[in-house]
Amino acid sequence: GESVGLHLPTLSVQEGDNSIINCAYSNSASDYFIWYKQESGKGPQFIIDIRSNMDKRQGQRVTVLLNKTVKHLSLQIAATQPGDSAVYFCAERDGSARQLTFGSGTQLTVLP
Amino acid sequence: EAGVTQFPSHSVIEKGQTVTLRCDPISGHDNLYWYRRVMGKEIKFLLHFVKESKQDESGMPNNRFLAERTGGTYSTLKVQPAELEDSGVYFCASSQYHPGGPGNTIYFGEGSWLTVV
Repeated sequence: GESVGLHLPTLSVQEGDNSIINCAYSNSASDYFIWYKQESGKGPQFIIDIRSNMDKRQGQRVTVLLNKTVKHLSLQIAATQPGDSAVYFCAERDGSARQLTFGSGTQLTVLP
Repeated sequence: EAGVTQFPSHSVIEKGQTVTLRCDPISGHDNLYWYRRVMGKEIKFLLHFVKESKQDESGMPNNRFLAERTGGTYSTLKVQPAELEDSGVYFCASSQYHPGGPGNTIYFGEGSWLTVV
C-alpha cells in the first residue's frame, strides 16, 4: 500500500547548526502534510504544516519544503538548539480521507 | 485553553484483563481520532469520530477493541481481553470540522502508555 517514509532514522547536529530532516511519500493523492515533534514520553506536537498547493512555508526557526514532482518533504530547523532533540515525524493526508499516515520517525540529537 | 487530555497516562495490566482508555478532545473539536504506536513501529491510525459517529474504523486491529463517543464529547477505547501485542502507546487527537474542506490541524494528546504482561 501507499506509505510515508523517512530517509534517515537518526540525525546528529551540532548546536547552532541548521538541521534538515527528509521525508518521502508515495501517495500522489495526498494534499496536506504535517511535521510533528515527539519528545520522550510525550505525544506528537504540531510543528508546521503545508498544503499541496504550496512548495514552501516558514514558521519560527522552521521551514517546510514540498516537492510534489519527486514526492519529497523536508523540515529545516535553523540554529538547532538542545531543546530540539526529539523524534520528528512527517505525516500526510489523502484528500479523500481525514486520518493521517505517519512515517517511521527521525531521531534528532543536538550535540553540545 | 486545555489541549487533548488522556487518561490514564500509564497502565500495566495482565494478559486477559480489560483496560479502558479515555480521551477528552479540545473543546469544540468534532473530529476525534485514535492512533497507536506499538514498539518499534510507526504511529498507526485506528479510527475516526465525527461527533458521536464513527467515520472510519478501518484501522481497528480486531474485535477486541471497542471505541465509543457517546454524546460526541469524550471518547473511550476499550481493549478486552488484552493481549501482549497490544502493548504500546495509544494517542488520541482532535481537530475542528469543516464540511467539504481539507480539515484543520490535528492536535495530539500525551498518550496512554499501555503495558500488557
